[in-house]
Amino acid sequence: GAVVSQHPSWVICKSGTSVKIECRSLDFQATTMFWYRQFPKQSLMLMATSNEGSKATYEQGVEKDKFLINHASLTLSTLTVTSAHPEDSSFYICSASGSGGVRETQYFGPGTRLLVL
Amino acid sequence: AQKITQTQPGMFVQEKEAVTLDCTYDTSDPSYGLFWYKQPSSGEMIFLIYQGSYDQQNATEGRYSLNFQKARKSANLVISASQLGDSAMYFCAMGGGYQKVTFGIGTKLQVIP
Repeated sequence: GAVVSQHPSWVICKSGTSVKIECRSLDFQATTMFWYRQFPKQSLMLMATSNEGSKATYEQGVEKDKFLINHASLTLSTLTVTSAHPEDSSFYICSASGSGGVRETQYFGPGTRLLVL
Repeated sequence: AQKITQTQPGMFVQEKEAVTLDCTYDTSDPSYGLFWYKQPSSGEMIFLIYQGSYDQQNATEGRYSLNFQKARKSANLVISASQLGDSAMYFCAMGGGYQKVTFGIGTKLQVIP
């Protein structure tokens, strides 16, 4: 199956700093990538849809100025948590699809655990 | 809007036995995809099985099978011959491709030796 990687897998940072998370599709081109957030014992909640070469589409309630998304190429999307605060501590996970068909499975990265002190 | 409902917060199953994880869905789209993902304690989401809304047969992937009942809008996952490594969170989901994936709240499966 298709492989999606995320880097870093763990981040511990001080409150007020910015953190960048990378999501890469390793063996396929992904026109669209998705960013999710998962709090402990909860389901994945979509934050935004990232399209290569255009602005991301954010879900309601997600601050676009706080969670900056860049999809510069067909294999890389980045999520930057700006001025992170303890409430931003969560598990961030991306997914990517190689084609637009509804039959196409989205493949998920291994996730990034962010802890803001 | 799409909605996924998983009503079993937790399930126990004896090793080597079969278990069914329930999932119902709601959508107004005529064509849709249903997925099951496994999330072990390490966090990664592992794709298990896919069912298309127009597929004539229920999907099967090894020990996983999907009991798709379109009229009831249900897509239950059946795991046969449970193994200890099957202990994890299981998420039912709808979407795929360029569409955002909507997840249920998950079912925690514990396989007992």
